[in-house]
Amino acid sequence: AQRVTQPEKLLSVFKGAPVELKCNYSYSGSPELFWYVQYSRQRLQLLLRHISRESIKGFTADLNKGETSFHLKKPFAQEEDSAMYYCALRGGSARQLTFGSGTQLTVLP
Amino acid sequence: DVKVTQSSRYLVKRTGEKVFLECVQDMDHENMFWYRQDPGLGLRLIYFSYDVKMKEKGDIPEGYSVSREKKERFSLILESASTNQTSMYLCASSPSAYGYTFGSGTRLTVV
Repeated sequence: AQRVTQPEKLLSVFKGAPVELKCNYSYSGSPELFWYVQYSRQRLQLLLRHISRESIKGFTADLNKGETSFHLKKPFAQEEDSAMYYCALRGGSARQLTFGSGTQLTVLP
Repeated sequence: DVKVTQSSRYLVKRTGEKVFLECVQDMDHENMFWYRQDPGLGLRLIYFSYDVKMKEKGDIPEGYSVSREKKERFSLILESASTNQTSMYLCASSPSAYGYTFGSGTRLTVV
């Protein structure tokens, strides 16, 4: 069985501070990991995927297979980063994604 | 840009009614999905489809069914709506090996 855990339901940081949203997963094989973001009144959209190894809007995430983690990081948070963030996993040849419970990030002025 | 369109943004239905939620995508994606989104629970997969007339149960299929008669359209059916099916319903589509494109969601209230 596969599982995604986001331990923080709510996270608040001040503008300009570093931010880290935690994601841990449980899967026996080699997973594909994603971060999705939902801004207020907008649809859920892909932020980044681990195999792309890219930085989007200043966010990065590294897959750590030893710790089974895929934490999302940004060195200097901006107010426009305030949103709901979901970590998701696709296992093996599966078509479907398994999502975590989400973290609501608030960046304070 | 891929578009995934959900026909209703808000719906209010009575307990026991049969409810149809419609989703259409315009990019010839083979995979389509229905999730429900609840605070504190995240997104939970109800059903998905990988081809016309093909469907697979997700994690919470009880009380729901689906229909995919055409590649671009995937319908979620609540056979007899109940108050615990009050939720935000999200449709998504994807090609084989990529992430999803989501619709804007349907907020269903069952009274």
